Amino acid sequence: EVQLLESGGGLVQPGGSLRLSCAASGLTINNYAMSWVRQAPGKGLEWVSGISGGDDSTYYADSVKGRFTISRDTSKNTLYLQMNSLRADDTATYYCASALALAGKIDYWGQGTLVTVSS
Amino acid sequence: QSVLTQPPSVSGAPRQRVSISCSGSSSNIGNNAVNWYQQLPGKAPKLLIYYDEQVASGVSDRFSGSKSGTSASLAISGLQSEDEADYYCAAWDDRLNVQVFGGGTKLTVL
Repeated sequence: EVQLLESGGGLVQPGGSLRLSCAASGLTINNYAMSWVRQAPGKGLEWVSGISGGDDSTYYADSVKGRFTISRDTSKNTLYLQMNSLRADDTATYYCASALALAGKIDYWGQGTLVTVSS
Repeated sequence: QSVLTQPPSVSGAPRQRVSISCSGSSSNIGNNAVNWYQQLPGKAPKLLIYYDEQVASGVSDRFSGSKSGTSASLAISGLQSEDEADYYCAAWDDRLNVQVFGGGTKLTVL
């Protein structure tokens, strides 16, 4: 059974940093395209960033480009999202997601971790 | 403002059929597969339909998908109260190089 378990969310001040983690079990993240998708309170889904399986190409939404960095540690089978220069509009539940390809269907979703950016 | 356009809400009575539209452009729906996700209140999204019309494993065949040009549609037949949820369409956008989602449609079963 595939499980994606996010952690690292919490309350952070504007301008601060946070690193989210997504520990995977039941799949080897190096063989999959992994993404972060967020959902602001009461709002819709927004794809934030993705990393391709195999070649490690990374992609970012314009809203986070230059501030967020996606990476993975294959030895720990864990995906990360380093978030810097956080703003109030980054407040959201962040979901970890896996797919065979970034352009493809998302087969598995984590339960999400809440990030709140507020002073 | 979402790249893919969905109606904010739809409703239907039990046992009726409803459909949810998703409109995009040549850089997303027109050139890539459309996937649909269901999000129950307080839960993570779940894959419903992939590659425009394929029903995901374990999903009821009351759900169906279709696509024509730069628009796609999700249909739900035999509505049940458990279908009350938010529904999202999604596709890769070749111009933006990101996955784009619709704004979501809230389904209410009357």
